[in-house]
Amino acid sequence: GAVVSQHPSWVICKSGTSVKIECRSLDFQATTMFWYRQFPKQSLMLMATSNEGSKATYEQGVEKDKFLINHASLTLSTLTVTSAHPEDSSFYICSARDWQVPYNEQFFGPGTRLTVL
Amino acid sequence: SQQGEEDPQALSIQEGENATMNCSYKTSINNLQWYRQNSGRGLVHLILIRSNEREKHSGRLRVTLDTSKKSSSLLITASRAADTASYFCATVKTGVTGGGNKLTFGTGTQLKVEL
Repeated sequence: GAVVSQHPSWVICKSGTSVKIECRSLDFQATTMFWYRQFPKQSLMLMATSNEGSKATYEQGVEKDKFLINHASLTLSTLTVTSAHPEDSSFYICSARDWQVPYNEQFFGPGTRLTVL
Repeated sequence: SQQGEEDPQALSIQEGENATMNCSYKTSINNLQWYRQNSGRGLVHLILIRSNEREKHSGRLRVTLDTSKKSSSLLITASRAADTASYFCATVKTGVTGGGNKLTFGTGTQLKVEL
């Protein structure tokens, strides 16, 4: 149980285009999903917290107009990188919290590697 | 924002040896969690220790927590080549409840277990 999927697993796009990444909880309902960014050999940095049915909460320094987050259902959150540039190239990981599981355990997706040319 | 630090940054050991990784953090916490990440993959939750706990075991894993020193350690006993991965600690701050809790990750330790 507690499986989180991400799609696509990798994507290459041209500078200036937008890319959408999906995060799905497959066997549980996730009222809250989180989006992280990870550069090579570095730690995960939280970008935003996505709550079902409401606006996402962005961390300081993260441009909300650049990284659009939608959490329209209890099993799906999407991150859209708008007008992507090479500096947006990174590994994007989502996680989801099952409200029935205590003590904040989050289940992570396998990640999406974005390369912007 | 709080950022935990882990040491060592990299650790290379022989199969069968024990591996110890340390994590320090800066604020009061509700709990501390350890995660494992294989290269280019997502994270796998290993173990969670609450602020009122001092030690926890799970299989070959042993985690300690010293809230007075704001530090935790992860011990992997009898390591195997398959344990090769990056290991991260992550904390949840005190006083935050509900589904919106945020994890703040440490810098990670890259463990390599050689045959």
